[in-house]
Amino acid sequence: DIQMTQSPSTLSASVGDRVTITCRASQSISNWLAWYQQKPGKAPNLLIYKASSLESGVPSRFSGSGSGTEFTLTISSLQPDDFATYYCQQYNSYSTTFGQGTKLEIK
Amino acid sequence: EVQLVESGGGLVKPGGYLRLSCAASGFTFSSYSMNWVRQAPGKGLEWVSSISSTSSYIYYADSVKGRFTISRDNAKNSLFLQMNSLRAEDTAVYYCARYNNAFDYWGQGTLVTVSS
Repeated sequence: DIQMTQSPSTLSASVGDRVTITCRASQSISNWLAWYQQKPGKAPNLLIYKASSLESGVPSRFSGSGSGTEFTLTISSLQPDDFATYYCQQYNSYSTTFGQGTKLEIK
Repeated sequence: EVQLVESGGGLVKPGGYLRLSCAASGFTFSSYSMNWVRQAPGKGLEWVSSISSTSSYIYYADSVKGRFTISRDNAKNSLFLQMNSLRAEDTAVYYCARYNNAFDYWGQGTLVTVSS
């Protein structure tokens, strides 16, 4: 199975900050990578698919980049609603896998 | 509006069984692959199983292979997960999710608790 490793596990930031979360795959996944936001007690919400495509309705302050084995999610200017947990997911193979998550906390 | 509504969760003893359902509406269910994803309390997301639009292709995570069975009824816009030989480590919220450029719609989840 392809392993996905996110860093950092926890990130403390302030409203207005630019933040970046990294996701590394154990083997090349081309651009078959998605990013999700999850808030406590809620289902995950798709933000980015195919590494850099913004899902409809998602604010443009979210962006994704990367290919192969290294990917990043960037939030250009943090808003209060953005404090949540973020997961990457590879769907290069039928056995899709998620990263362990990055909790974005208010500093 | 796309909606996915899971049901069937509950408390079950180790070794027991449950059948989860996911009712879909607001889209052409028969055109999409569907998935089950679970999340143990305080933990991350774990993919469980997937089924193609016509049920031709079915896949399982190693952790549930041989114990869980995914199925669908396109005439009734429904997805199912039959869970047998349940273990304590199967305790989780189970989500159904549509595959369309990754998992674009998710249900609200149903909690399965395996405990004696």
